[in-house]
Amino acid sequence: GQNIDQPTEMTATEGAIVQINCTYQTSGFNGLFWYQQHAGEAPTFLSYNVLDGLEEKGRFSSFLSRSKGYSYLLLKELQMKDSASYLCAVRDGGMRFGAGTRLTVKP
Amino acid sequence: DADVTQTPRNRITKTGKRIMLECSQTKGHDRMYWYRQDPGLGLRLIYYSFDVKDINKGEISDGYSVSRQAQAKFSLSLESAIPNQTALYFCATSDPRGFLSTDTQYFGPGTRLTVL
Repeated sequence: GQNIDQPTEMTATEGAIVQINCTYQTSGFNGLFWYQQHAGEAPTFLSYNVLDGLEEKGRFSSFLSRSKGYSYLLLKELQMKDSASYLCAVRDGGMRFGAGTRLTVKP
Repeated sequence: DADVTQTPRNRITKTGKRIMLECSQTKGHDRMYWYRQDPGLGLRLIYYSFDVKDINKGEISDGYSVSRQAQAKFSLSLESAIPNQTALYFCATSDPRGFLSTDTQYFGPGTRLTVL
């Protein structure tokens, strides 16, 4: 099948580091996206990977391994405002989204 | 001003009614999309359009239709609404020539639709 899997929920502490994993199966890969979505709001773009390796953007980094069908989003120096859902999406002609990982940051 | 707008933001309707959701954008993007979001299922693509004369079915197009009236406008219609179409609907736009040529999608604020 063509699935995108990510954990449903995660909890972390303010100031800590958290890694959100995403695994995918696809017949034609053309890029992986991470989006952030606060409750009741629109998803907003965080990162894009099309080649293997790590892309760093401030406190957020995203990693891709195409051979393993695997990506992760790394959030450093967590802040309370980082509490949100994080959506992994794969472009393979169309765009397919995972169900999202709801991250709760606690003081 | 928001780049991608959706109207209405909230709508409650009854089974069997015809409903239109509208999306407008000022980003100048050619590509537009309609998604629905349900708890635990993520975003699912309903229809997409790569230019004014191009309409394509997505993953879950049954029960829906669309109209691309202009580059800036893309409407989604539910011909005869049913309760399992209760969801949060998002419009999105993208430009394959844009940001690093990633064809990143930019989302509107969403329309919460309830079908009773």
